[in-house]
Amino acid sequence: GDSVTQMEGPVTLSEEAFLTINCTYTATGYPSLFWYVQYPGEGLQLLLKATKADDKGSNKGFEATYRKETTSFHLEKGSVQVSDSAVYFCALREAGTALIFGKGTTLSVSS
Amino acid sequence: ETGVTQSPTHLIKTRGQQVTLRCSSQSGHNTVSWYQQALGQGPQFIFQYYREEENGRGNFPPRFSGLQFPNYSSELNVNALELDDSALYLCASSLGTSGNTGELFFGEGSRLTVL
Repeated sequence: GDSVTQMEGPVTLSEEAFLTINCTYTATGYPSLFWYVQYPGEGLQLLLKATKADDKGSNKGFEATYRKETTSFHLEKGSVQVSDSAVYFCALREAGTALIFGKGTTLSVSS
Repeated sequence: ETGVTQSPTHLIKTRGQQVTLRCSSQSGHNTVSWYQQALGQGPQFIFQYYREEENGRGNFPPRFSGLQFPNYSSELNVNALELDDSALYLCASSLGTSGNTGELFFGEGSRLTVL
């Protein structure tokens, strides 16, 4: 079945460092790919998405490119801030089905 | 625009008891789905309701059941609680079910502890 694998955390960075969180997926069809973020004490929020191969999703300085050839959707940000500290979830969704999430990666940014 | 709201935010039950969790969907959304998020894990799909009918279910036993009401709010019921049911239960609403690009809007969750 479909699945999502993302890098284990926690990831600990200093402010203004470069961030990469790896995500790979297995799917039978042509899914849409998502990154969700969960800030402490809050619900899941959509960070960005890409709906087809080679699409790039971007939001709040974060980017991820849908790579069909490597079945990947890695999340990147050029300069992280303390306020980016959260848990990040990679997810996929095929037509008419539920979101399938990875286990989440905790990011901790210190000043 | 009102977002997704869930109640209660926290609750404690004992094994064998039953629990009902509630969710009000975002204004204008007709689809509600429920997810279970165990500690340190990603959310797992329980089921989805569209226009008061269940139209998708994950790998959860029948003691997990739900309802959707005419105003599109929803309930998740869990019978015969087990210790492993301790988790954060997330409700998400969306508009429609077709396709795979629609955004889900999540509530903050109900944290259930089973002792």
